[in-house]
Amino acid sequence: EIVLTQSPGTLSLSPGERATLSCRASQAIINSYLAWYQQKPGQAPRLLIYGASNRATGIPDRFSGSGSGTDFTLTISRLEPEDFAVYYCQQYGYSVTFGQGTRLEIK
Amino acid sequence: QVQLVQSGAEVKKPGASVKVSCKASGYTFSTYGISWVRQAPGQGLEWMGWISAYNGNTDKAQKFQGRVTMTTDTSTSTAYMEMRSLRSDDTAVYYCARVSGWYWPFDHWGQGTLVTVSS
Repeated sequence: EIVLTQSPGTLSLSPGERATLSCRASQAIINSYLAWYQQKPGQAPRLLIYGASNRATGIPDRFSGSGSGTDFTLTISRLEPEDFAVYYCQQYGYSVTFGQGTRLEIK
Repeated sequence: QVQLVQSGAEVKKPGASVKVSCKASGYTFSTYGISWVRQAPGQGLEWMGWISAYNGNTDKAQKFQGRVTMTTDTSTSTAYMEMRSLRSDDTAVYYCARVSGWYWPFDHWGQGTLVTVSS
């Protein structure tokens, strides 16, 4: 099983700042089959990024993904109030596993 | 627009079974698959498995093999997830999500179904 480790566990930032979230895999993820999801309280997750760097339909361009192999990053260039949520990475190249999540909170 | 609408909350006793439904609309059901993901209270996401609505093939995470059955009914565009021998640690919100097939992310999600297992 591929284990995904997200860091930090909690990130405290202010609106307008830049957020950088990390996801590290226990082994290389084939073809960068890595996705990022956003989840707000009481809601289902929402797909943000797939294939490590492709934005899903309707996702604002302040969200970007990068990385390959075992190290991946989600960047939110300028935080809006609605971006404060929990973010999960997921690999879907060898079965499916999720990271434990990063909570992005308002400072 | 794509929608996945799940059945309502359930309360079950330990040892019982539960069957959660996921009704799809807004796309051709048989050309996609459905994955099932659960989330225990205050915890992260756990993938359970997926089923192809095209041919009924399934693949499940090892911990759910033998206790979970996934099925689809293409006549009603509905997917089902049945779990047997429920335990208290099965208490969670269960989500269905659409997937194009292996090597694809989960692009649309149901609203979730809370299953509570308590004596």
